[in-house]
Amino acid sequence: AQSVTQPDIHITVSEGASLELRCNYSYGATPYLFWYVQSPGQGLQLLLKYFSGDTLVQGIKGFEAEFKRSQSSFNLRKPSVHWSDAAEYFCAVDPTGTASKLTFGTGTRLQVTL
Amino acid sequence: NAGVTQTPKFQVLKTGQSMTLQCAQDMNHNSMYWYRQDPGMGLRLIYYSASEGTTDKGEVPNGYNVSRLNKREFSLRLESAAPSQTSVYFCASSVDRAYHEQYFGPGTRLTVT
Repeated sequence: AQSVTQPDIHITVSEGASLELRCNYSYGATPYLFWYVQSPGQGLQLLLKYFSGDTLVQGIKGFEAEFKRSQSSFNLRKPSVHWSDAAEYFCAVDPTGTASKLTFGTGTRLQVTL
Repeated sequence: NAGVTQTPKFQVLKTGQSMTLQCAQDMNHNSMYWYRQDPGMGLRLIYYSASEGTTDKGEVPNGYNVSRLNKREFSLRLESAAPSQTSVYFCASSVDRAYHEQYFGPGTRLTVT
């Protein structure tokens, strides 16, 4: 079955430290890939997306993600985390590009310590 | 621009009651979506409307109905609420179905007792 896995439910990092959030997917072909962020009490906001081309994509707020076909992964990274990055992060995949099949992972909650 | 707005923000229902969640967008988007978010489950698509006048089922449509009233508005109706429908409901919109990011509303927290 098609699926999206975010293996880390909760991650704590110190402000200024680097961050990597993991996302793995299980689809027959390369899907369309997204990372969304949800701040407490808010809706989701798109951080970045990958459709094709360069496998390293840049997003908003200093985030980037790298698509690795061989590992079926699309991990989110940030070189230096700020306290305001504390939120829940969702990886999402869409195998068809039509948004009708957009599937979200279960999320990773990021806590930032000062 | 207000973006995507949802009403109400909070609602408590008794089992068997009905209600309609309202969603409106002012971005002239063609496509609109309803999701539910449950702890440990991520977001799951309930229904979507690719364009005005069309609606289609998503992953978890049972117990819900939708109406795409016009291009701006997309409502979600619970005809007979059940405790299993306790959740946070998000409406989203996008330019169209393909390739474009979805913009989310702030959500409606629904509790069914």
